[in-house]
Amino acid sequence: QKEVEQDPGPLSVPEGAIVSLNCTYSNSAFQYFMWYRQYSRKGPELLMYTYSSGNKEDGRFTAQVDKSSKYISLFIRDSQPSDSATYLCAMSNPTGTASKLTFGTGTRLQVTL
Amino acid sequence: ETGVTQSPTHLIKTRGQQVTLRCSSQSGHNTVSWYQQALGQGPQFIFQYYREEENGRGNFPPRFSGLQFPNYSSELNVNALELDDSALYLCASSLGGVETQYFGPGTRLLVL
Repeated sequence: QKEVEQDPGPLSVPEGAIVSLNCTYSNSAFQYFMWYRQYSRKGPELLMYTYSSGNKEDGRFTAQVDKSSKYISLFIRDSQPSDSATYLCAMSNPTGTASKLTFGTGTRLQVTL
Repeated sequence: ETGVTQSPTHLIKTRGQQVTLRCSSQSGHNTVSWYQQALGQGPQFIFQYYREEENGRGNFPPRFSGLQFPNYSSELNVNALELDDSALYLCASSLGGVETQYFGPGTRLLVL
């Protein structure tokens, strides 16, 4: 079983829709939770990070962490065609030897006109 | 302020050969991490360098090795290339903080 599970999609939504992306994890030591966006043939771009549980909002993006359920979410409001990309969740245990990130497989999102 | 840069962008090698990939970290960042991303997968942690010392390693064999230089740029070396080494190799730099790892565009390696 992978430490981080993420539905690979693809997820197709119309422009303006609210998008919900999710990951589950098994390692209760994870404390930092991140979402990256990756366009085709590009490197991942950091969208948001959260420490421990709670919500964080940045413009059209909201990240939620529920440590009791080992479940994290990213919501995108008023989705745009430019949001079409692969979204990767990542997490880390700050007490580990290195600040390595453990990623999900990524969810491919397509926002259609 | 320049971001993370990597070279080359693309590379084709044959099985058994050796390859060196290069990364320049973002200005002021002293920590560099390397990841391997196979097609359709999330990045997998290879190792991390902090102030020129290896600071942690993922589940990769010893033929994957690295260096970090005094200016914090870094190299990833892979010996005895195998077909499964074909992937996008990503470098990420940070100032020690887990939550602030910034990725470069990657080097796409194809092993034939």
